[in-house]
Amino acid sequence: DAGVIQSPRHEVTEMGQEVTLRCKPISGHDYLFWYRQTMMRGLELLIYFNNNVPIDDSGMPEDRFSAKMPNASFSTLKIQPSEPRDSAVYFCASSNYRGLFPTEQYFGPGTRLTVT
Amino acid sequence: RKEVEQDPGPFNVPEGATVAFNCTYSNSASQSFFWYRQDCRKEPKLLMSVYSSGNEDGRFTAQLNRASQYISLLIRDSKLSDSATYLCVVKVDTGRRALTFGSGTRLQVQP
Repeated sequence: DAGVIQSPRHEVTEMGQEVTLRCKPISGHDYLFWYRQTMMRGLELLIYFNNNVPIDDSGMPEDRFSAKMPNASFSTLKIQPSEPRDSAVYFCASSNYRGLFPTEQYFGPGTRLTVT
Repeated sequence: RKEVEQDPGPFNVPEGATVAFNCTYSNSASQSFFWYRQDCRKEPKLLMSVYSSGNEDGRFTAQLNRASQYISLLIRDSKLSDSATYLCVVKVDTGRRALTFGSGTRLQVQP
């Protein structure tokens, strides 16, 4: 079974450029999460979707960040314009729920973003 | 105060040692608890869920203390392959479906 797929795995870009990160969740999972991880701040939730609908975007740092989920098998996280402080590893994860309780959250391999 | 707090470590232990990590959480309405493991430059992966009665999986034992709002992870007979960062994860009992991750405790098992 394929796990969560993310692309690209590494991205180096210059300040001011647009960056688009992509994620394919595990088939059948109805929750999709975007996280950012840095040494200073650890793993932070940016936004999550349920059945392709954004539920909570309170973790999105500012208007430069946007996320979409046009269908159950694809999501994007876009940064425009990018800044050096956006440099981090961005993880996508997917899961299901049984009632109120989450099942395991499966993470993709992450996209390592460097903004110079 | 952070919602989930962990000692960042590193914990440096010899092979075969027993090591324990604690994690405290601030919201008494927290409902579900987990330990995730993250290897260097890899994604987090579920290690084990933490149940109210405590649970064991091989060399790993997890316990929950609701009164004091902490969870613990005990690793017995540690192996070199246990070297990783261990993330404490909590779900608060609200309509929100998100998990809150601690910053992790780094374990280095030495030969």
